[in-house]
Amino acid sequence: EPEVTQTPSHQVTQMGQEVILRCVPISNHLYFYWYRQILGQKVEFLVSFYNNEISEKSEIFDDQFSVERPDGSNFTLKIRSTKLEDSAMYFCASSPMGLAGRINTGELFFGEGSRLTVL
Amino acid sequence: AQKVTQAQTEISVVEKEDVTLDCVYETRDTTYYLFWYKQPPSGELVFLIRRNSFDEQNEISGRYSWNFQKSTSSFNFTITASQVVDSAVYFCALNNGGSQGNLIFGKGTKLSVKP
Repeated sequence: EPEVTQTPSHQVTQMGQEVILRCVPISNHLYFYWYRQILGQKVEFLVSFYNNEISEKSEIFDDQFSVERPDGSNFTLKIRSTKLEDSAMYFCASSPMGLAGRINTGELFFGEGSRLTVL
Repeated sequence: AQKVTQAQTEISVVEKEDVTLDCVYETRDTTYYLFWYKQPPSGELVFLIRRNSFDEQNEISGRYSWNFQKSTSSFNFTITASQVVDSAVYFCALNNGGSQGNLIFGKGTKLSVKP
């Protein structure tokens, strides 16, 4: 069964360092997303990506963050200069269509997450 | 403003009991979508259901059922005859019809089913 895969599963970094989290979405999906979950808190939307560009982003997704689909299979999230408060589980997701619309299920397929710890 | 409230932080039941997880939402949009996701101990988020604002018909899928009531802005989730494998954190989420990617999650309800 196709699945979204994320690497690394856990990364520890020093404050101020750059981090790249990688994701391989399901191959025929067109929409890609990053969400994060600070430990014990709710899951928060960061960004959605469609047709090689950001389609929507939240207030959390400031200039420190960027996303890229460099080679048609990987989807990456870069944090330029990490802060302590960036420590969280980062989830990548993909879907064949968007969340809304009558003809699709609106299901997002999530990966197992990458835990980022900033010291 | 859009918001999802899951007032129950943790619920503990004994196997075979029925359990209902509450979800109350706030939105000014007339078109919106409601979701339930399950997060088992392994950590991934597993889609359970999406409901459209224009369809209030309740849904049953095996031991799972969902009760959508626009009058009370609620979208509650019931597990009948719970099993240990149902132990997980369950998230209710909201999406407005104009967004293809932004899911607004509640804080989740941790369900523990004991044998």
